[in-house]
Amino acid sequence: SAVISQKPSRDICQRGTSLTIQCQVDSQVTMMFWYRQQPGQSLTLIATANQGSEATYESGFVIDKFPISRPNLTFSTLTVSNMSPEDSSIYLCSVVLARTEAFFGQGTRLTVV
Amino acid sequence: GDSVTQMEGPVTLSEEACLTINCTYTATGYPSLFWYVQYPGEGLQLLLKATKADDKGSNKGFEATYRKETTSFHLEKGSVQVSDSAVYFCALSEQGYSTLTFGKGTMLLVSP
Repeated sequence: SAVISQKPSRDICQRGTSLTIQCQVDSQVTMMFWYRQQPGQSLTLIATANQGSEATYESGFVIDKFPISRPNLTFSTLTVSNMSPEDSSIYLCSVVLARTEAFFGQGTRLTVV
Repeated sequence: GDSVTQMEGPVTLSEEACLTINCTYTATGYPSLFWYVQYPGEGLQLLLKATKADDKGSNKGFEATYRKETTSFHLEKGSVQVSDSAVYFCALSEQGYSTLTFGKGTMLLVSP
């Protein structure tokens, strides 16, 4: 199994500012995934973060808005830049071990005011 | 593209009642299907899964059968407990089990 620690668990931010969310895994993984859960909506994949290369973004998400770092095999950050109220969501990181099961962090609940 | 549709919540039940949460999917290939559960204040946890047609996933008294003919994966439990109160997500994966497509989630509230 994998234990994922995500920080912060929640935050309230002013519009126009940026927030960096950290994700730490207790084992080395090749790919880490970032999801967004908007209020009343399903989880949507933002990007896949590979160690040593640029993140791969899904349609509708761009690097300037959601820059991702992946400095090593156990850690990643997602930054939500120039925030607006529409960015208020729960952001989750995820890893998959041995193609058997996906594990998720507890999520970061972001409110933009 | 792939999509997952699950019943709207919240679903409110009394303890020991029967539970069914409907889930249907649209996929281009032959996906693996999952149910995840999110207890209050916690991350998503895998509840059960099925990787091919007619497979039945089961865990903690919950069951779901992969029905290819109806493209469904309904979650069932014969007798719910207060501790089952959570949000349940149906999901599928077509990419070698890396990325997941989720339904919107169904909140289950069980009262004593």
